[in-house]
Amino acid sequence: DTEVTQTPKHLVMGMTNKKSLKCEQHMGHRAMYWYKQKAKKPPELMFVYSYEKLSINESVPSRFSPECPNSSLLNLHLHALQPEDSALYLCASSQGGSDEQYFGPGTRLTVT
Amino acid sequence: GENVEQHPSTLSVQEGDSAVIKCTYSDSASNYFPWYKQELGKRPQLIIDIRSNVGEKKDQRIAVTLNKTAKHFSLHITETQPEDSAVYFCAASMSGGTSYGKLTFGQGTILTVHP
Repeated sequence: DTEVTQTPKHLVMGMTNKKSLKCEQHMGHRAMYWYKQKAKKPPELMFVYSYEKLSINESVPSRFSPECPNSSLLNLHLHALQPEDSALYLCASSQGGSDEQYFGPGTRLTVT
Repeated sequence: GENVEQHPSTLSVQEGDSAVIKCTYSDSASNYFPWYKQELGKRPQLIIDIRSNVGEKKDQRIAVTLNKTAKHFSLHITETQPEDSAVYFCAASMSGGTSYGKLTFGQGTILTVHP
């Protein structure tokens, strides 16, 4: 399996909701990432997990909470989001920190 | 931190022409430089990458060159086809330390190939 998968594909949530985004890879990669991408902009790094430990948090607001239950799974828990958080959320994985990063198809999030 | 500048922001070519996209980076410690292609509504896809110990790499119609002294790298696409139309992002990263795995992206180039 050479793919990164993400669920759901689309998510609409209110500002008081709690939801989670899921990412899965079965390539044996040891690093996993969350990115946020706004329209016509490059992906913006949010979090990096290395060997299931959080290694980088790019000063992301606490309403985004990442979790890495095991080496194949990465979650992003969402709570009390703002409309400006509406974006495409991309997950990626790589063998190591300086290796090719493979992206999932993303979750299109709309906060109403 | 690292800063990556990418030019041009838009590029329009005729089918069969060549296209060149250029990026400069600021941190001399960066040693890995991937290029991603992103079609509308799709995920970024790695198309080619280069490491700092190599000056040039080619894969069929795509090539990347790296000038470490000048801190710039370029993507060259020859014999362009309409299916090459997409947004292209360059990126830079360094191995190890507190920047482990951190890709810094350029702002992107919208490439349009006219049939």
